[in-house]
Amino acid sequence: LAKTTQPISMDSYEGQEVNITCSHNNIATNDYITWYQQFPSQGPRFIIQGYKTKVTNEVASLFIPADRKSSTLSLPRVSLSDTAVYYCLVGDFSPGGYQKVTFGTGTKLQVIP
Amino acid sequence: DSGVTQTPKHLITATGQRVTLRCSPRSGDLSVYWYQQSLDQGLQFLIQYYNGEERAKGNILERFSAQQFPDLHSELNLSSLELGDSALYFCASSAGGTGAGGELFFGEGSRLTVL
Repeated sequence: LAKTTQPISMDSYEGQEVNITCSHNNIATNDYITWYQQFPSQGPRFIIQGYKTKVTNEVASLFIPADRKSSTLSLPRVSLSDTAVYYCLVGDFSPGGYQKVTFGTGTKLQVIP
Repeated sequence: DSGVTQTPKHLITATGQRVTLRCSPRSGDLSVYWYQQSLDQGLQFLIQYYNGEERAKGNILERFSAQQFPDLHSELNLSSLELGDSALYFCASSAGGTGAGGELFFGEGSRLTVL
């Protein structure tokens, strides 16, 4: 899997939009970009996945530039319940399942009232 | 509810002992993954199985072993336990074989405390 680099922590006020950027310079042609959210003492939960350009779902948007060497997770109008660790994963999730899916250190987002 | 079931939720044992953690993947998922997460640490990949076969191995200690059974449930065996083995152990499953792109579904974890 491509190595990823994310900020270790971020603070944001409630109601603001939060953008977390992940660098993945060695991304391969078949790699997808996936973001997970983890609350303390819980398993990570899938947020969003994309290959290129922009993907949006009910909770987040994922922006991927043309060179795909980075990606940005955007959380609109965060609330206190969005306080969590956010992980960026990059890999080729081909048939047979993910192989050696390794999570990086993640970004600890703290939402402030 | 992710559909992945892990038992037991909590386990307290002594050094030198052996424990078995069990994971039932989501119905139909062929891949099972095991992760270890120590206090305030990231998720360390241990091992992956796909349809009963070992597919990938991470930094899994020799004292640890795992297997996936024909009904696709998996067990992680931890032996000669040490204090440092105290951690949350997560199991995840994925469908696999669905082409590029995919999602891991995590269980709620088994918290192991070694005294």
